[in-house]
Amino acid sequence: GQNIDQPTEMTATEGAIVQINCTYQTSGFNGLFWYQQHAGEAPTFLSYNVLDGLEEKGRFSSFLSRSKGYSYLLLKELQMKDSASYLCAGRTYTGGFKTIFGAGTRLFVKA
Amino acid sequence: GAVVSQHPSWVICKSGTSVKIECRSLDFQATTMFWYRQFPKQSLMLMATSNEGSKATYEQGVEKDKFLINHASLTLSTLTVTSAHPEDSSFYICSASPSGGALDNEQFFGPGTRLTVL
Repeated sequence: GQNIDQPTEMTATEGAIVQINCTYQTSGFNGLFWYQQHAGEAPTFLSYNVLDGLEEKGRFSSFLSRSKGYSYLLLKELQMKDSASYLCAGRTYTGGFKTIFGAGTRLFVKA
Repeated sequence: GAVVSQHPSWVICKSGTSVKIECRSLDFQATTMFWYRQFPKQSLMLMATSNEGSKATYEQGVEKDKFLINHASLTLSTLTVTSAHPEDSSFYICSASPSGGALDNEQFFGPGTRLTVL
């Protein structure tokens, strides 16, 4: 089966660092996405990891360990506008590519 | 580049009517498009994979006769919610991946269509 778990909510302070964890169990695993979604809007792409390790992109970094079925999204120098839902999603191939989303982590950034 | 549009952005209809939602890739070709449904404060649930020139692949529990998908060209997929009922009220989002190329691992999402069935 396909299962993606991430915390429901997190709160952090402006200027701080926050790490959002994600664990997955998917068949035909082909990579892991992180998306940001503000309320009422479509998700926007943040990162895609295929190989183990850390990938850094500005204030956002994403890590993947395929052997552990684990990923995290690291947000540095938090800003108020980073308050949003962060969706962990696994790309799978079982006869065709598709993306399975976790329930999302709602991040609240406070002053 | 890599823009996906959806039309309409919102629609209100009476119970029993059918609603068609269009998803277009504006500056790239997409062999495959995906349709998702999202209820308030929940994540995206994949409904079906839309394949250009062939039948859509539906996820378990999604009624193919109720949610008709047509992918007539490499830039257009449509989702028709037939005989809509209030429980079909939701945010419907499509996504598309460019066919081949450096961006073929990335999905681009449309802005979504908010359907309200009265």
